[in-house]
Amino acid sequence: GENVEQHPSTLSVQEGDSAVIKCTYSDSASNYFPWYKQELGKGPQLIIDIRSNVGEKKDQRIAVTLNKTAKHFSLHITETQPEDSAVYFCAALYGGSQGNLIFGKGTKLSVKP
Amino acid sequence: DTGVSQDPRHKITKRGQNVTFRCDPISEHNRLYWYRQTLGQGPEFLTYFQNEAQLEKSRLLSDRFSAERPKGSFSTLEIQRTEQGDSAMYLCASSLEPPIQPQHFGDGTRLSIL
Repeated sequence: GENVEQHPSTLSVQEGDSAVIKCTYSDSASNYFPWYKQELGKGPQLIIDIRSNVGEKKDQRIAVTLNKTAKHFSLHITETQPEDSAVYFCAALYGGSQGNLIFGKGTKLSVKP
Repeated sequence: DTGVSQDPRHKITKRGQNVTFRCDPISEHNRLYWYRQTLGQGPEFLTYFQNEAQLEKSRLLSDRFSAERPKGSFSTLEIQRTEQGDSAMYLCASSLEPPIQPQHFGDGTRLSIL
């Protein structure tokens, strides 16, 4: 079946450092890739997304890159802050669907002050 | 924009009982999605609606599960004859109509089966 793999599963950085989370997907027809941040007891919050016709997108300290040939995409967070600590999920829209997001298993990011 | 609202936030029930959850989407969103999330995993797609029409269902949505959106506004997800394996967080999301629009999630209903 369609699959999204996410690495690493846990990531610990010092405040001010950068964090990178990587995902690969299997469905070559996928054309939409959102990233979500989930805090304890809350639902996933959309932080950035990218469509397949774009290679990179930035929003302040957050950036996402997409390599369609290699079928992988990455989240980059610069100048990390303690409030960035959360679980981050990547997802890919299943190519045969207009609504089915396939999620990775998540990365628990800890930012140490 | 009040966000996606889900009720109840927590539900504890005995195995074999029926449960129903409600989702109120963002007001102008005509697409509504249901996902299930178990501990340590990402959300898994269950089904989605455009207005009142249920357009897609996952294999995860067994015949014990039924979702409705009768007037194209709020939606309900019912689980009949609950089993231990149904324990999970049930998440609802909504979006505007395609072409591709971001899905915005509520804070979920956590279901615990005793």
